[in-house]
Amino acid sequence: DTEVTQTPKHLVMGMTNKKSLKCEQHMGHRAMYWYKQKAKKPPELMFVYSYEKLSINESVPSRFSPECPNSSLLNLHLHALQPEDSALYLCASSQSQTGYGYTFGSGTRLTVV
Amino acid sequence: AQTVTQSQPEMSVQEAETVTLSCTYDTSESNYYLFWYKQPPSRQMILVIRQEAYKQQNATENRFSVNFQKAAKSFSLKISDSQLGDTAMYFCAFSQGLTQGGSEKLVFGKGTKLTVNP
Repeated sequence: DTEVTQTPKHLVMGMTNKKSLKCEQHMGHRAMYWYKQKAKKPPELMFVYSYEKLSINESVPSRFSPECPNSSLLNLHLHALQPEDSALYLCASSQSQTGYGYTFGSGTRLTVV
Repeated sequence: AQTVTQSQPEMSVQEAETVTLSCTYDTSESNYYLFWYKQPPSRQMILVIRQEAYKQQNATENRFSVNFQKAAKSFSLKISDSQLGDTAMYFCAFSQGLTQGGSEKLVFGKGTKLTVNP
């Protein structure tokens, strides 16, 4: 299995809703990442889980909450989002060997209404 | 801090022609890694090609090849025999390798939108 699987592919949520994005990989990668990407822009790093330790981009609002139940699974919990949070959310993982970059999932297209 | 610059926001090429996408970067490190990622309208970022800075030989993957000029800090992507399926955003990225925490930090350029015309 050489894939990173993200669900759902599309999500529409209201500003008062709570939802979660899910990401899964079975490649034995020990680092997983959440990125936010606006149209025609590069991805922006939100969170990194490496060997079950979390690193946070300090600019990410607290309405985004990551969770890593195990080394294969990464969730992103969403609460009280704003319309400007509408974007493509990409999950990625990287292997323990240096310099091989990321394997990305196909993303979740999030629309906040 | 490392930076990656892609100076061509948009490019177009005719099918079967050759096109070159530019990328320059800034770093004081001697060992690092460079990548080209493709993101078609289907959204998934796909690794096209990678280059290790300590290797002088330019990487090649089928129709994709790079021109890596370490002294000039330049890493351009050449696509030969362009196909309609090559239409996508292309991102150049830089990595210093694994951090002490075991993750890998990628620094992305702003991207080049490539359109292949029939």
